[in-house]
Amino acid sequence: DGGITQSPKYLFRKEGQNVTLSCEQNLNHDAMYWYRQDPGQGLRLIYYSQIVNDFQKGDIAEGYSVSREKKESFPLTVTSAQKNPTAFYLCASSTGTGSYGYTFGSGTRLTVV
Amino acid sequence: KQEVTQIPAALSVPEGENLVLNCSFTDSAIYNLQWFRQDPGKGLTSLLLIQSSQREQTSGRLNASLDKSSGRSTLYIAASQPGDSATYLCAVRPQGGSEKLVFGKGTKLTVNP
Repeated sequence: DGGITQSPKYLFRKEGQNVTLSCEQNLNHDAMYWYRQDPGQGLRLIYYSQIVNDFQKGDIAEGYSVSREKKESFPLTVTSAQKNPTAFYLCASSTGTGSYGYTFGSGTRLTVV
Repeated sequence: KQEVTQIPAALSVPEGENLVLNCSFTDSAIYNLQWFRQDPGKGLTSLLLIQSSQREQTSGRLNASLDKSSGRSTLYIAASQPGDSATYLCAVRPQGGSEKLVFGKGTKLTVNP
């Protein structure tokens, strides 16, 4: 079945470490997105990519980095510059622009220890 | 700037009741509106996608309506069950600009046996 796979499901980060969250899709979607979810704040967009080798900052990009070397993959790195990284991270994809809906992965919960 | 509001923030009903969740948005220039369900600690599951030219969509016990001119959508759940307990999110895809989804903060539904 087609879908989005996020891994790992749970991730623990020590202070000062960089960690990378994986997002892979087999839906042949052009666009991919990373969201952060915190209690009471809703979903906030971190980065998005509409084509391979191109990506744009979302509303809260500071302390995060991404790459889009393949259509299927859009990994998110949470760097040590992100001071409050504990959150639930969701990856999504969509077919291009316009009238298409989004498909979401199952999420990664990142905790700073 | 597009804003999406969901009322109420939380709702508790007895099993078997029919219920309505509300979503409003400030700018009617949208491609579509999407309703999602989120269980605790899980990703978002798409329930219904309504294109801007449509008035409603149905899936099983769920019916979503869209009144684009007034900036409103409702999600009707018939004969609610405890398994319907979850957070329900609505999101609009704006026309123009980056066309990224704009989310409401959700309605947390509890269906009591």
